[in-house]
Amino acid sequence: DMKVTQMPRYLIKRMGENVLLECGQDMSHETMYWYRQDPGLGLQLIYISYDVDSNSEGDIPKGYRVSRKKREHFSLILDSAKTNQTSVYFCASSFHQDTQYFGPGTRLLVL
Amino acid sequence: GQQVKQSSPSLTVQEGGISILNCDYENDMFDYFAWYKKYPDNSPTLLISVRSNVDKREDGRLTVFLNKSGKHFSLHITASQPEDTAVYLCAAGAQGGSAKLIFGEGTKLTVSS
Repeated sequence: DMKVTQMPRYLIKRMGENVLLECGQDMSHETMYWYRQDPGLGLQLIYISYDVDSNSEGDIPKGYRVSRKKREHFSLILDSAKTNQTSVYFCASSFHQDTQYFGPGTRLLVL
Repeated sequence: GQQVKQSSPSLTVQEGGISILNCDYENDMFDYFAWYKKYPDNSPTLLISVRSNVDKREDGRLTVFLNKSGKHFSLHITASQPEDTAVYLCAAGAQGGSAKLIFGEGTKLTVSS
């Protein structure tokens, strides 16, 4: 069963705290993505990873960094979270430019 | 600027009618076009996609029309049903490029019974 998982599903942090969002996939997909979704803005690409330790900035990388040490895991890190990083974060994976499979999302609230 | 744009944030259609969702794009290099469906508090899932070598693709009640000269593609849903009520996201990308998809802002479709 093809699956993308995200942990945690809900998270509340205070401004200035560090945030770690985890994503896993069991399809051996090379490419993985982190997006955020905000009302009226659709899905905005934060980072894309083409394989282990092969990461590229997306359209809105500022304030974020990523880590991919294993093909099946892709982490999004917020060092010193800001209130404008309150959002829903989606991870996705794909085989080249084929269908992107999305995780269930993480709702992050930064107070 | 917004490379992929859905100009209608919302659309309401009667049950049994045809829902038409529209998407415009700017980049001539885009050659992959897709529609994703998203229910509230759920993840987007791929509905249908098409490559630029065709101008139409049908799958059941769904049809994607691609107008390359107009940089426009649309999703038609025939015999619309209440369970079609969701947010529809269009996306476009360039094959052989970075595997990035650019998503539109989404159109909330409501099918009323």
